Amino acid sequence: DADVTQTPRNRITKTGKRIMLECSQTKGHDRMYWYRQDPGLGLRLIYYSFDVKDINKGEISDGYSVSRQAQAKFSLSLESAIPNQTALYFCATSLAGAPGETQYFGPGTRLLVL
Amino acid sequence: GQQLNQSPQSMFIQEGEDVSMNCTSSSIFNTWLWYKQDPGEGPVLLIALYKAGELTSNGRLTAQFGITRKDSFLNISASIPSDVGIYFCAGENTGNQFYFGTGTSLTVIP
Repeated sequence: DADVTQTPRNRITKTGKRIMLECSQTKGHDRMYWYRQDPGLGLRLIYYSFDVKDINKGEISDGYSVSRQAQAKFSLSLESAIPNQTALYFCATSLAGAPGETQYFGPGTRLLVL
Repeated sequence: GQQLNQSPQSMFIQEGEDVSMNCTSSSIFNTWLWYKQDPGEGPVLLIALYKAGELTSNGRLTAQFGITRKDSFLNISASIPSDVGIYFCAGENTGNQFYFGTGTSLTVIP
């Protein structure tokens, strides 16, 4: 079974709709992240959480919100989807500690906003 | 926002050839990571580097953490068709944030 899972894997929605992307992990990691990937731009950080009560904005948080419901769950919401939020979204986890951290990614959610 | 400079953007090579790609940054990183991504899938970790000067191998892959902590390279020896994909570097800064390169697209011609 995959250590980091994302649902749904694919989603088509209309402009103005609210949608939620879910991420779950069985790795026991305390840190979780949401990224979006656009062609030619690599991965960009939306939000990250270092534990259940910690939420931090990333590079491109506008138009998004998150919820860390439990150590193993981190959801991303688009309150009112717009077409330029069409992208591939990845959840990642990491475990804090020496000598450094390594991030592990989920399989991604492909979102199309019409 | 901060992005790492990754080069080359794309490579077309013959099977059996060696491959080299690198990432540079204007900032110091504490960790360098190299990932491979197949179409429609999430990035998969290949190699993690935690100390300046560290040289680490994983099969035919070798990566190094630059002495200045501002660069890293990845080498693939004796390429095979399944090496095809997009390779990303990532660096973790002192604030525990990760930044990613724009990727190197590798095509291996049989």
